[in-house]
Amino acid sequence: SAVISQKPSRDICQRGTSLTIQCQVDSQVTMMFWYRQQPGQSLTLIATANQGSEATYESGFVIDKFPISRPNLTFSTLTVSNMSPEDSSIYLCSGWWRGQGGYTFGSGTRLTVV
Amino acid sequence: TQLLEQSPQFLSIQEGENLTVYCNSSSVFSSLQWYRQEPGEGPVLLVTVVTGGEVKKLKRLTFQFGDARKDSSLHITAAQPGDTGLYLCAGAPGSGYSTLTFGKGTMLLVSP
Repeated sequence: SAVISQKPSRDICQRGTSLTIQCQVDSQVTMMFWYRQQPGQSLTLIATANQGSEATYESGFVIDKFPISRPNLTFSTLTVSNMSPEDSSIYLCSGWWRGQGGYTFGSGTRLTVV
Repeated sequence: TQLLEQSPQFLSIQEGENLTVYCNSSSVFSSLQWYRQEPGEGPVLLVTVVTGGEVKKLKRLTFQFGDARKDSSLHITAAQPGDTGLYLCAGAPGSGYSTLTFGKGTMLLVSP
């Protein structure tokens, strides 16, 4: 099965700064998504990363705060901008391949904003 | 908005016990997926069920999809410490690409 490499695995950042999270997939993926998760809790979809066009954001998430890029079918980035302590969370990317029954996830980025 | 109610939210049991996790909705799903997540890792897909009434087995884990495709259950027989983790159900409203609806998760702790 496909592998998604996500980095960094964790970071501690100062409020007001930005962090870019990268996801590299070892094969071309049909769809890519970005999620947020509080430890031990469920996943909240931030956006669908569209190849070559603007991401599709879910309610409550905006492009200025969470700009996303997907320049090709194997790579995507999520930036958490102008961070505040409320942005402390686990951020996960995932991929879906046509014909595959479920999603594959990266190992997550544990972000702490101080 | 489709919702998935997952229960229980937390389960602490002894090694060798059996358990069942439930995932219920008032909406029909095209398929339902179960994931397990360990600390510091992303969720890993365990199984996808697509047919109403379908039962799938993965070693000591048995997954069932309700006849009406609105609910699912995960049964673990003779739980082991290695089963510890967060179990998530996720429903897909349509076939092919679909935005998943996740349940709130069940944190399972199996003690030796």
